[in-house]
Amino acid sequence: DVKVTQSSRYLVKRTGEKVFLECVQDMDHENMFWYRQDPGLGLRLIYFSYDVKMKEKGDIPEGYSVSREKKERFSLILESASTNQTSMYLCASEQPPKQFFGPGTRLTVL
Amino acid sequence: AQSVTQLGSHVSVSEGALVLLRCNYSSSVPPYLFWYVQYPNQGLQLLLKYTTGATLVKGINGFEAEFKKSETSFHLTKPSAHMSDAAEYFCAVSLGNNNDMRFGAGTRLTVKP
Repeated sequence: DVKVTQSSRYLVKRTGEKVFLECVQDMDHENMFWYRQDPGLGLRLIYFSYDVKMKEKGDIPEGYSVSREKKERFSLILESASTNQTSMYLCASEQPPKQFFGPGTRLTVL
Repeated sequence: AQSVTQLGSHVSVSEGALVLLRCNYSSSVPPYLFWYVQYPNQGLQLLLKYTTGATLVKGINGFEAEFKKSETSFHLTKPSAHMSDAAEYFCAVSLGNNNDMRFGAGTRLTVKP
C-alpha cells in the first residue's frame, strides 16, 4: 500500500512565524502536490512538483513556497504565517492518474 | 483547463434512502474522474474512479458512479444510505499523466435515522 505521511496532524503557530509542513511518500512517485481545504471551497492547489528540485505554482501560491530536495519529500513553507492561512493542508503523491493523500495537517495561525 | 462543479453543498437523506450526489465537469479532452470521501477528522479516501472503458464504475462501500459524456456528468449514487456514510464527498477531474487534479467544493452528506 502507498503511504503518504505528514509531519503533524495539528499545528498552532503565531502570526509572522515561519512554518514548515512536511510530506513523505514511500512509493517513489515523481509527482507530489500540496492542497489546502476550506469549508465551501473544497480543495485548492497550492503547488506541485514533477521531480526533484522542480516546482510549479498551483491556483493559490501566494504566501507559500515549496522545497523538493529528495524525491520522497515535499515540503510546504509559510514564510510569514498569517491568520488567513489557518486551514487544513493536504499533501498528495501521484501515480497518474491516481492520487494518494496524506491524513492532513490542521494549521491554526493565531 | 478542467473544472468540476458539485451541485449542493449539503445533502440530507434518511437511512435506507437513495444517495445521489451530483457532479458536472468541464474538460477539453476526455477526462479522468474521481470521487473521494473524507470522514470527520480523517484524510481523503478514494471511493472510485473512471479512466476508460465501462462508464458505470463501482467503488467501495456500495457506491457507484456513471460517466455520461453527453451530460458532462459523473454523479455518485448508493441505493441505500447507511449512517456510516455521513461524510464529505469530493468530485475531482484530471486530464491524465502529469496534470494536476481539480476538485469540486465538496458535498456534505448527512444521514438521518
